[in-house]
Amino acid sequence: GQNIDQPTEMTATEGAIVQINCTYQTSGFNGLFWYQQHAGEAPTFLSYNVLDGLEEKGRFSSFLSRSKGYSYLLLKELQMKDSASYLCAVDGNNRLAFGKGNQVVVIP
Amino acid sequence: NAGVTQTPKFRILKIGQSMTLQCAQDMNHNYMYWYRQDPGMGLKLIYYSVGAGITDKGEVPNGYNVSRSTTEDFPLRLELAAPSQTSVYFCASSGPGQGAIPGANVLTFGAGSRLTVL
Repeated sequence: GQNIDQPTEMTATEGAIVQINCTYQTSGFNGLFWYQQHAGEAPTFLSYNVLDGLEEKGRFSSFLSRSKGYSYLLLKELQMKDSASYLCAVDGNNRLAFGKGNQVVVIP
Repeated sequence: NAGVTQTPKFRILKIGQSMTLQCAQDMNHNYMYWYRQDPGMGLKLIYYSVGAGITDKGEVPNGYNVSRSTTEDFPLRLELAAPSQTSVYFCASSGPGQGAIPGANVLTFGAGSRLTVL
């Protein structure tokens, strides 16, 4: 089975940096994903990690430590449009299990 | 490419009624999934399919049924609707080696179907 834990909500100022953490336990591991979900919309893919280390993609970076069952998503130079829920998901044998998501509210 | 298309977008059901949520994808993806999302919660996997003719239960399959007669379609059937099935339902699909990420099982989601059971 899979167990994924994320903090629930945070508020940050435009232009700031936020880090969203995710811890997981899983019996199989094919990679860890981060998705962004705006209110009332479907999740959209942000990043993917399968090896330990940092993946950078513009303003967004994601880090993975498989031995610690830990990942984080780093959002830099926050913009108002980044206000959304950020979902961590673990692929265990082609079944993605999602965490509850972390709601990020960006204020001016 | 339309991607993943779900219908209907909204539906209100009475307790005990049945209905089918339709899902179709035109990306020739092998894998398809149905999730439900309750307010403030993450996505819970209901059923999934790794190819035509093959389906498997996810975390919360009770009260639902699926079929996968073609690669493109993956309908979700609710028999005897209950208030606990009030939720937003998302269909998703993925293909191996999708896009620029070889081996990554990147899901493409439909827009969602909001179901209320009264």
